[in-house]
Amino acid sequence: GAGVSQSPSNKVTEKGKDVELRCDPISGHTALYWYRQSLGQGLEFLIYFQGNSAPDKSGLPSDRFSAERTGGSVSTLTIQRTQQEDSAVYLCASSLGRVAADTQYFGPGTRLTVL
Amino acid sequence: QKEVEQDPGPLSVPEGAIVSLNCTYSNSAFQYFMWYRQYSRKGPELLMYTYSSGNKEDGRFTAQVDKSSKYISLFIRDSQPSDSATYLCAMSGAGGSYIPTFGRGTSLIVHP
Repeated sequence: GAGVSQSPSNKVTEKGKDVELRCDPISGHTALYWYRQSLGQGLEFLIYFQGNSAPDKSGLPSDRFSAERTGGSVSTLTIQRTQQEDSAVYLCASSLGRVAADTQYFGPGTRLTVL
Repeated sequence: QKEVEQDPGPLSVPEGAIVSLNCTYSNSAFQYFMWYRQYSRKGPELLMYTYSSGNKEDGRFTAQVDKSSKYISLFIRDSQPSDSATYLCAMSGAGGSYIPTFGRGTSLIVHP
């Protein structure tokens, strides 16, 4: 079956512009995660969706970042008024969400460059 | 101090060598310990997962968890050039959390 897909694969934008990044999780996966990976850094947790529960937004670095998940499937991460420090690879992952040990399946990421 | 520490490397070894990758952590409440492999310009993929202390073996890979020392390891036997990637450790389950904490990753280069 299809894995996690993300679009676009690359995004170049100018400082101050808004961007939207999309994630299509594996069908049937109730848990969805967004991470950010900067050069030479590990994965920084951003936000976690689990079923119909309120999302855990504790990792969002500022109020310029927001995310939604429609119909328990597709998710969009929005960054408003982008800054150069927002340049990174944004990774999405999904899992069955039954237990903490459920395998997370990652998408290929969106490489964001803010000029 | 970061919650999970991992030497970024790079670690360069000849083909056939035994590779040892390690992470230390500070939160004794972690219950699940994972190793992910990430090839260049790809998303991470789960390599191995261990619950609590002990060893787990899968082919050429062995994962070890020592909760008393807050130290986890991944061993790769008979390393191959195709093992060249970044290896990230991750831990979860503290306080029932489903959100893993990742190390920075270690870059491994296996040269022929």
